[in-house]
This record gives sequence, structure tokens and C-alpha cells, in this order.
Amino acid sequence: GQNIDQPTEMTATEGAIVQINCTYQTSGFNGLFWYQQHAGEAPTFLSYNVLDGLEEKGRFSSFLSRSKGYSYLLLKELQMKDSASYLCAEVDSNYQLIWGAGTKLIIKP
Amino acid sequence: NAGVTQTPKFRVLKTGQSMTLLCAQDMNHEYMYWYRQDPGMGLRLIHYSVGEGTTAKGEVPDGYNVSRLKKQNFLLGLESAAPSQTSVYFCASSYSGEHTGELFFGEGSRLTVL
Repeated sequence: GQNIDQPTEMTATEGAIVQINCTYQTSGFNGLFWYQQHAGEAPTFLSYNVLDGLEEKGRFSSFLSRSKGYSYLLLKELQMKDSASYLCAEVDSNYQLIWGAGTKLIIKP
Repeated sequence: NAGVTQTPKFRVLKTGQSMTLLCAQDMNHEYMYWYRQDPGMGLRLIHYSVGEGTTAKGEVPDGYNVSRLKKQNFLLGLESAAPSQTSVYFCASSYSGEHTGELFFGEGSRLTVL
């Protein structure tokens, strides 16, 4: 089956930059999503990558390398409200979403 | 702008009891989904629907049934609840398939089965 790997937890400082990595199996890849989920709340869409490269959207950017089976979410100018879990999800060969377990990001003052 | 609304938000059941979770969306989306989210695991698709009157099995359909009698509503039923069904359930909807576009999630329903 497909495996999505992302770190369980990360800690960063307010105002800094953090990179959250996600790796997946490369066979049958059809796209990659990032969602944000605050504790006790619903996931919300952040980004979608299907081609290699960096896509920037305000303070958040998402990068994809299809040959390496690798993506990252880059958060700049961290704010306390960015404390949340970040979910990576791959579109597999059957065009279904395979979700990672999420990375809990803790922002410290 | 209600978006996706789930009821109830919390429920405690005893083993063997039945219940229904209701999901309603006001965005005129064709696609609707039910996921469960468990600690240390990614979201898992239970059932989904590609339009009114249609349903299909996802990754973990056993023990659950669904119905989509109206386009805006997607019901998830547990006929005989088991402790393994203790989880947070999320409903979602989308304009196109989950693999092509943004999913809009409800706030979740936390179910405990004793």
C-alpha cells in the first residue's frame, strides 16, 4: 500500500521559518495536497501541487519533487495562530487520497 | 455561510446501539464524503457519494451504512456500534472529486462507544 511519512511533531519560534516535510511512494502519483487542522477543528485546504516546483501563497509555500517522492510546506513569519497540525495527502494511482497522520506544529513565543 | 454542518457534535453510545450522523452542505456540491480520524493515523475514507442517490465504499466501510437521498444531505449510520468505532468523524464535500479539488470539511462529530 501507499505510505505517507511526515514528522509527528515540530517546534518553532514565533517570527521564524519552518519547513514540514512529507514523503510518499512515487509509483502512480497524481498530486499532493496540504491541509491545516487546528486542534478540535476541521481540516482546511492550504495547497495542491501536481507539477514540480514551488508554489507560493502568502506566508505559506508548498514544494514538490515528483522524482524524489518529496514535498514540503514552508511557513514564514510564524505566528502563534499557525500552531496546528499539517496534513499531507497524496493522490494515488486510483485517484484516491492517501492521508498522512499529520505534523503537529508548536509555536513558542 | 454555513458550509458543511454535522450533527451531533458529540455522542456516547453503548456497544450494540445504533445511531445516525447527519451531514448537510449548502454549496450545491455533487461529491460528499465521510472520513474517520484516529490518533496517529491519517484520515480514512468510509463511504462517499458522487451525486444524489449514489453511494460507494471507501477504505473502511465495514460496520457503516450511508444514504444520499437529497443532494445536500449525506447520512452515516452505525447499525450496531462497537468500541472500535470510537473516533472523530468528518464529513466533507467538494465540487469535483477529492483528488482534483479542495475538500470542505464539517467541524467533526466525536463518537465514543463504551
